[in-house]
Amino acid sequence: GESVGLHLPTLSVQEGDNSIINCAYSNSASDYFIWYKQESGKGPQFIIDIRSNMDKRQGQRVTVLLNKTVKHLSLQIAATQPGDSAVYFCAENDSIQGAQKLVFGQGTRLTINP
Amino acid sequence: DSGVTQTPKHLITATGQRVTLRCSPRSGDLSVYWYQQSLDQGLQFLIQYYNGEERAKGNILERFSAQQFPDLHSELNLSSLELGDSALYFCASSPSGEPYNEQFFGPGTRLTVL
Repeated sequence: GESVGLHLPTLSVQEGDNSIINCAYSNSASDYFIWYKQESGKGPQFIIDIRSNMDKRQGQRVTVLLNKTVKHLSLQIAATQPGDSAVYFCAENDSIQGAQKLVFGQGTRLTINP
Repeated sequence: DSGVTQTPKHLITATGQRVTLRCSPRSGDLSVYWYQQSLDQGLQFLIQYYNGEERAKGNILERFSAQQFPDLHSELNLSSLELGDSALYFCASSPSGEPYNEQFFGPGTRLTVL
C-alpha cells in the first residue's frame, strides 16, 4: 500500500545553518507533494508544494526537491532561525477521482540550537 | 491564524460515549477535511466534504461519521468511543475540492477518552 516515511525522526542544527529534511514515498502514481510544519499546540501549516512534473521548487528560504526515480522528497531550509523549530511532515496526494487525499509521513522534529 | 475554527478545544469523555466536533472553514472555502493525529498512527486523513457532499474517504471507522451543512460548517461525530480514539482531531479547508489546493488547518480538538 501507499506509505510516506521520513528517514530521520529528529534533526538538530545550529542557528544560521541550512537544514535538509528527507522523505521517501512509495506510491509512484502520486502527482502532488506537500511539506507541512507543525509547531507545538498548533495545526499543520503549509510550507511548500510541488507537482510531479517538476523536480525543484523554491519559496522564501525553503526549497523542495523531488526525485521521482528513487521516490524521494526533500525540504531544504536556508539560514535556519529559532522559529523554524517544529515537526515537519511530508505528504503525498493519493488522489482519488480528482479529490485530494493526503497521506502523511511520520514527521521529523527539527530543533534549532542557538 | 489559518481562519479555520474548531470547537471545542479540549474534550474529555468516557468509553462508550458519543461526541461531536465542530469545524468552521475559512470564509469562501467549499471543502472541509478531517484528520486524526495520534502518537502511534501519526496524521491520518479521515474524510473530505465538498459543498455539502462527501468527496473522499480515508481511514475512517464505521463508528465515526461526518457531515457538511449548507452554511459549510462541518461536524465529525464519534460514537461508541474507545480508549484508542484519544487523539487530536484536525479540520482543514480549501477553496475547492480539486487535488492541488492548499489546505488550511484549524487548531484542532484534543479528545481524551477515559
